[in-house]
Amino acid sequence: QKEVEQNSGPLSVPEGAIASLNCTYSDRGSQSFFWYRQYSGKSPELIMFIYSNGDKEDGRFTAQLNKASQYVSLLIRDSQPSDSATYLCAVTFMGYKLSFGAGTTVTVRA
Amino acid sequence: EAGVAQSPRYKIIEKRQSVAFWCNPISGHATLYWYQQILGQGPKLLIQFQNNGVVDDSQLPKDRFSAERLKGVDSTLKIQPAKLEDSAVYLCASKGGRFEQFFGPGTRLTVL
Repeated sequence: QKEVEQNSGPLSVPEGAIASLNCTYSDRGSQSFFWYRQYSGKSPELIMFIYSNGDKEDGRFTAQLNKASQYVSLLIRDSQPSDSATYLCAVTFMGYKLSFGAGTTVTVRA
Repeated sequence: EAGVAQSPRYKIIEKRQSVAFWCNPISGHATLYWYQQILGQGPKLLIQFQNNGVVDDSQLPKDRFSAERLKGVDSTLKIQPAKLEDSAVYLCASKGGRFEQFFGPGTRLTVL
């Protein structure tokens, strides 16, 4: 079983719509959860992190965490063409190691 | 604040040759990571340093990969000999006192 799994995508949404990205993880002891954005040919950049169950909002981004279900998601509201990228879910593993999912590619259609 | 620096940005070699990558982390960051990112996959941790000591190298193919971080600052990652499956982007990241890892631009390696 992979440590971190993401919905495979690609995900295509019209401009202004909500993009919903999902991620599940295997280590029930994981404490920290991150969403990175990676533009084509670029390195990952952190856009959201969450530690506690519930929702965390930052601008147009909302991260949702449910530790009981071992599930974390990212919502992008009012999607813009500049949001077109691959989104990587990352989870701490064994207390310190960051394990990444394979990523979900999002395309926002103008 | 300068970011994580890596060189070279691109490298093309033939299989069985050797190659080395260099990373200069953000000043003051004690933790340094090397990741391998194969096309279509997420980054995979190869090795983690805390200052000049190795914290985790469990996924480093030690028969061909080596890494060092002398003096707890710059780091080099070496592959000798390279295989076709080593074609990937090699990312260096560093972390200071907080949780966020900052990534360098990466080195794209092509093994022919």
